[in-house]
Amino acid sequence: ELKVEQNPLFLSMQEGKNYTIYCNYSTTSDRLYWYRQDPGKSLESLFVLLSNGAVKQEGRLMASLDTKARLSTLHITAAVHDLSATYFCAVDSPGGGGSEKLVFGKGTKLTVNP
Amino acid sequence: GAGVSQSPSNKVTEKGKDVELRCDPISGHTALYWYRQSLGQGLEFLIYFQGNSAPDKSGLPSDRFSAERTGGSVSTLTIQRTQQEDSAVYLCASSFMGLAGVYNEQFFGPGTRLTVL
Repeated sequence: ELKVEQNPLFLSMQEGKNYTIYCNYSTTSDRLYWYRQDPGKSLESLFVLLSNGAVKQEGRLMASLDTKARLSTLHITAAVHDLSATYFCAVDSPGGGGSEKLVFGKGTKLTVNP
Repeated sequence: GAGVSQSPSNKVTEKGKDVELRCDPISGHTALYWYRQSLGQGLEFLIYFQGNSAPDKSGLPSDRFSAERTGGSVSTLTIQRTQQEDSAVYLCASSFMGLAGVYNEQFFGPGTRLTVL
């Protein structure tokens, strides 16, 4: 059974600081996703990482994937308050009939303080 | 429509009642997924549709949960004899089913928040 673990689950940081969120998964997968969720809102896709060594950057966020280590990281550079949200990583778990259901980590609740 | 829509956005019901949750996927998306988000269990897969068929129901937590999809479009998730542990946000996602092995992004709807009293 595929398991996805994120850490930390809670992260409080000051504006301007850097930090990394880690996502480990238990079985081979070539697709990893990062989502953002604001309180009371749905999931917003941030990054899709499709191959080993993939690195994607958007603004102050950068995501990378190491399929050999089964590890993805989401790096936050010079955090700003607007980045406060919960971040989820998710991995494809193929199922019957072409299902590409996602298995999610528990999420990292990020709070950026002024 | 422009995105995945779900209704109602909020539903409060009494324990033991049946509820129906609706999902309208993005037009042309043949794949449709239901997920549930709760404090205790996080985000969990429930069921997958390809067209009107549900080849993957592995996430449904009990036989009180069922879902159908008609016309390859709208899907309804039904929960019978609701229990308090069913309280959660139910999310629907759809994707275009392309070639096997080709990445198909899932687009999520806003969710239905279900509260069972």
